Amino acid sequence: ETGVTQTPRHLVMGMTNKKSLKCEQHLGHNAMYWYKQSAKKPLELMFVYNFKEQTENNSVPSRFSPECPNSSHLFLHLHTLQPEDSALYLCASSQEEDSIYEQYFGPGTRLTVT
Amino acid sequence: SQQGEEDPQALSIQEGENATMNCSYKTSINNLQWYRQNSGRGLVHLILIRSNEREKHSGRLRVTLDTSKKSSSLLITASRAADTASYFCATDLANAGGTSYGKLTFGQGTILTVHP
Repeated sequence: ETGVTQTPRHLVMGMTNKKSLKCEQHLGHNAMYWYKQSAKKPLELMFVYNFKEQTENNSVPSRFSPECPNSSHLFLHLHTLQPEDSALYLCASSQEEDSIYEQYFGPGTRLTVT
Repeated sequence: SQQGEEDPQALSIQEGENATMNCSYKTSINNLQWYRQNSGRGLVHLILIRSNEREKHSGRLRVTLDTSKKSSSLLITASRAADTASYFCATDLANAGGTSYGKLTFGQGTILTVHP
């Protein structure tokens, strides 16, 4: 898990707050991902970045704003969230090899919106 | 409904027994991957099988793929208490010559409990 780090590990925020989640990968990968994991639901892909360019936005509400300044860092900026946005937010990275993307996940940020 | 669906949703066994989890999907895939997640943590990649493969082994893990039935199974042999976790299958839908940039679709997972 040390290949992909996420901060903070836990976050409690009010609906009017603005906060950011940070992800850093130390694996030299060129693709990074944000996932949302809610209780009793499958892992939901939110955003995909490949070589810093966003290649997927999976119909995510605009209150979630991703940023990828370079291939090693990925942010998720949060503002005016809803209680239903409380979930575990997972970051992952991968390196394409022969059309295969094996993903390496960080430990996640447990977000609670009050 | 979802691309990947696992069954059973929960499995409880004794240490030393084998555990089998199944995954079904709906559309053609490039490859299928299995991941493990310990409670509240990130996912860990276990094993990958390509669409032109039928079976793969890795230590105590054996994965099979039947593209005609659009299903896969993960077998953990001689289970240990440390195998207690949630197990997810994930499908990569990229067609030959294309790329998905790793856009995986995950199932809801099987919760495995191994009792010492």
